[in-house]
Amino acid sequence: AQSVSQHNHHVILSEAASLELGCNYSYGGTVNLFWYVQYPGQHLQLLLKYFSGDPLVKGIKGFEAEFIKSKFSFNLRKPSVQWSDTAEYFCAVNAKSSASKIIFGSGTRLSIRP
Amino acid sequence: ETGVTQTPRHLVMGMTNKKSLKCEQHLGHNAMYWYKQSAKKPLELMFVYNFKEQTENNSVPSRFSPECPNSSHLFLHLHTLQPEDSALYLCASSQDSTGAYEQYFGPGTRLTVT
Repeated sequence: AQSVSQHNHHVILSEAASLELGCNYSYGGTVNLFWYVQYPGQHLQLLLKYFSGDPLVKGIKGFEAEFIKSKFSFNLRKPSVQWSDTAEYFCAVNAKSSASKIIFGSGTRLSIRP
Repeated sequence: ETGVTQTPRHLVMGMTNKKSLKCEQHLGHNAMYWYKQSAKKPLELMFVYNFKEQTENNSVPSRFSPECPNSSHLFLHLHTLQPEDSALYLCASSQDSTGAYEQYFGPGTRLTVT
């Protein structure tokens, strides 16, 4: 069965620190990949997505993610975090062969110390 | 009007009650989804509708009964629930259910079963 693993449940950083959140999935076929973010008190919203092409994807608010097919990974990065990045981050995978099914990871809570 | 709305935002119900959750999207999308979000667990896909037809039932117990009268509205009818069904229930919509489009989420209904 397909699954998505987010290894870090809670990450605490100081402002201006660099961020990398891990995401690994188990599926051998072609995938669409997503990172969603949920800011405190707000809806889940899309941060960035990868469908095909350049494996380095840039999203909103300075976030980027790199798809490494050989490692089944889609890690999220930001070179310098801000206090406003405090949120919960969810990685999600859609296997193109099972179109309507998107599998979410359990989320990583990011806390930024001002 | 915001993209995806859900009512009620909070619901407390006894195990013998019958209640319904409502979701409405104002984005002109054709696919709608129900998810269950429990603490420290991955977001669980429950049901998917595409052009009013159910395309995915992720082995959800029959005490949860979805209804999609048109592409803009989605209901989740609840009866004889269990305490472990207490969770945040999220509705989402997307252009279609092929996985090629991002999902837009509502704020969720916080359900407590007593």
